Amino acid sequence: DVKVTQSSRYLVKRTGEKVFLECVQDMDHENMFWYRQDPGLGLRLIYFSYDVKMKEKGDIPEGYSVSREKKERFSLILESASTNQTSMYLCASQRETTGELFFGEGSRLTVL
Amino acid sequence: GENVEQHPSTLSVQEGDSAVIKCTYSDSASNYFPWYKQELGKGPQLIIDIRSNVGEKKDQRIAVTLNKTAKHFSLHITETQPEDSAVYFCAAASGGSYIPTFGRGTSLIVHP
Repeated sequence: DVKVTQSSRYLVKRTGEKVFLECVQDMDHENMFWYRQDPGLGLRLIYFSYDVKMKEKGDIPEGYSVSREKKERFSLILESASTNQTSMYLCASQRETTGELFFGEGSRLTVL
Repeated sequence: GENVEQHPSTLSVQEGDSAVIKCTYSDSASNYFPWYKQELGKGPQLIIDIRSNVGEKKDQRIAVTLNKTAKHFSLHITETQPEDSAVYFCAAASGGSYIPTFGRGTSLIVHP
């Protein structure tokens, strides 16, 4: 089975802190994604990556950056967390031949 | 870019009834339409998808229909069971990029 693991299920941070959300997949997929999930707003794409060291902005990249130093690992970085970044963050990898996304269980971030 | 509208936002049915969730999309170049189910505390999981060269696809109690002319696609669940209770997301993607745009989600509640 494909496994996408997000390192932290729950995080509480203070405004202005730097936050790292880590994601690892075990299926050698090229494509990886970070989404933000908020009630009533669905899944909104923050960033995605086609390959190591490659990144593309999604629909809501402001306030976020990403890092992909190794194929299996895709990190989301909040340089200076703000309260409006309190949300559920979902990482996914993609089977390129079919388009299917495999999601992690999510990281719920609270910024105080 | 692509815009996906999903209705209803909440759907409550009795066990055994059918449930229908409808989505519209804006980009006529979209040709891949997946549906994801998100159970409480988990990441979304693909349950069925359809491509633009097909009008309907079935998998046991779930089916998806696609009307490319009207830019509509729908998820049909027959003989609903309590374990069908979840949030369902439709999505649309185009070309070879497979970068999906998601609808806002439908919370399906199946009452025993």
